[in-house]
Amino acid sequence: RKEVEQDPGPFNVPEGATVAFNCTYSNSASQSFFWYRQDCRKEPKLLMSVYSSGNEDGRFTAQLNRASQYISLLIRDSKLSDSATYLCVSKGYSTLTFGKGTMLLVSP
Amino acid sequence: DAMVIQNPRYQVTQFGKPVTLSCSQTLNHNVMYWYQQKSSQAPKLLFHYYDKDFNNEADTPDNFQSRRPNTSFCFLDIRSPGLGDAAMYLCATSVHGGQNTEAFFGQGTRLTVV
Repeated sequence: RKEVEQDPGPFNVPEGATVAFNCTYSNSASQSFFWYRQDCRKEPKLLMSVYSSGNEDGRFTAQLNRASQYISLLIRDSKLSDSATYLCVSKGYSTLTFGKGTMLLVSP
Repeated sequence: DAMVIQNPRYQVTQFGKPVTLSCSQTLNHNVMYWYQQKSSQAPKLLFHYYDKDFNNEADTPDNFQSRRPNTSFCFLDIRSPGLGDAAMYLCATSVHGGQNTEAFFGQGTRLTVV
């Protein structure tokens, strides 16, 4: 079983749609969780950290469910510029483990 | 200003010819990582340093070596690159331990093996 699993997609949505990604992790010792965004042939960039209480940053909402070991990302009012691959990441004390990423394609 | 800098951005090397990729950071983070990412795949951790302590992943080939002469610099040496080693190589840094301490990535080095 992979440590961090994501649906690879692609998710094809129209502009303005709401889309949600889920991610599951197997290592219950993971301490922190993040969503990174990666554009084609570029490095991953931090989108947001994921807190147990859930957190929101503009159109983006992240949630962590430790009991079920999953993390979610909700994107509201999708923009064309949101098209990218979204990587779910778990962090142990010093290691980072990436999911394979979920591709989002937002169309006009 | 870039905080994690990788050089070069693009590297072409011959099959079997040793190559070194470099990474430097201005964040003074104690952990540095090297990842390999192939097309449509997740970044795969090769190894990481916690300060000077080297941590090799079990499935990292012996062909890949690393050096960290000081806090700011870390090098990835590929002793005998094969065609299968063509990939994007990502360097990242973070603070050891702590909650919600994200990793910062360099722009990556795209390695082509000919």
